[in-house]
Amino acid sequence: DAKTTQPNSMESNEEEPVHLPCNHSTISGTDYIHWYRQLPSQGPEYVIHGLTSNVNNRMASLAIAEDRKSSTLILHRATLRDAAVYYCILLQYGNKLVFGAGTILRVKS
Amino acid sequence: KAGVTQTPRYLIKTRGQQVTLSCSPISGHRSVSWYQQTPGQGLQFLFEYFSETQRNKGNFPGRFSGRQFSNSRSEMNVSTLELGDSALYLCASSLGDTSNQPQHFGDGTRLSIL
Repeated sequence: DAKTTQPNSMESNEEEPVHLPCNHSTISGTDYIHWYRQLPSQGPEYVIHGLTSNVNNRMASLAIAEDRKSSTLILHRATLRDAAVYYCILLQYGNKLVFGAGTILRVKS
Repeated sequence: KAGVTQTPRYLIKTRGQQVTLSCSPISGHRSVSWYQQTPGQGLQFLFEYFSETQRNKGNFPGRFSGRQFSNSRSEMNVSTLELGDSALYLCASSLGDTSNQPQHFGDGTRLSIL
């Protein structure tokens, strides 16, 4: 299973953008980059995924480096509800998600 | 649209017993995956079922087993419970007919072993 590296924790102010980085230097050409988040006392929640091009949805944007060795999840305006653990996962095929430790995002009001 | 439903939400068992957990996927989803979450090991993949067949398996002992029914509902069973099996067990469903589809998680069953 391909490995990702994320910062242990990050802090943001409410209403400001948040950029959550992920390094995946051993990514293969067929690995998709997935992001999930887990709020306290809940199961993980799908955020976004992509292969090569940047992706946007109603929750967030995913910026993928040209060499695909890194990516950044962008929350455009952080709210207190965005405080969670964010997981960056590489998925080649199938549905086996391999979770790392993730990044704990704290949002200050 | 109803989400993934897991029952029961909480369960207390003693060592040596067995337990069955249930997962009802989102309507139309044919893939169901199970995960174990503990403070020490984090989230770990147990197995995935698609159209009643186990399609992928994690690195857990044979005491952990599962099955999927024709309506896509799934159960997982843990036999001869050990203290270390205390965890949050999460179920996730997806359409599953092609790879790389979003998985939708339930809120889990919290199993405590005394």
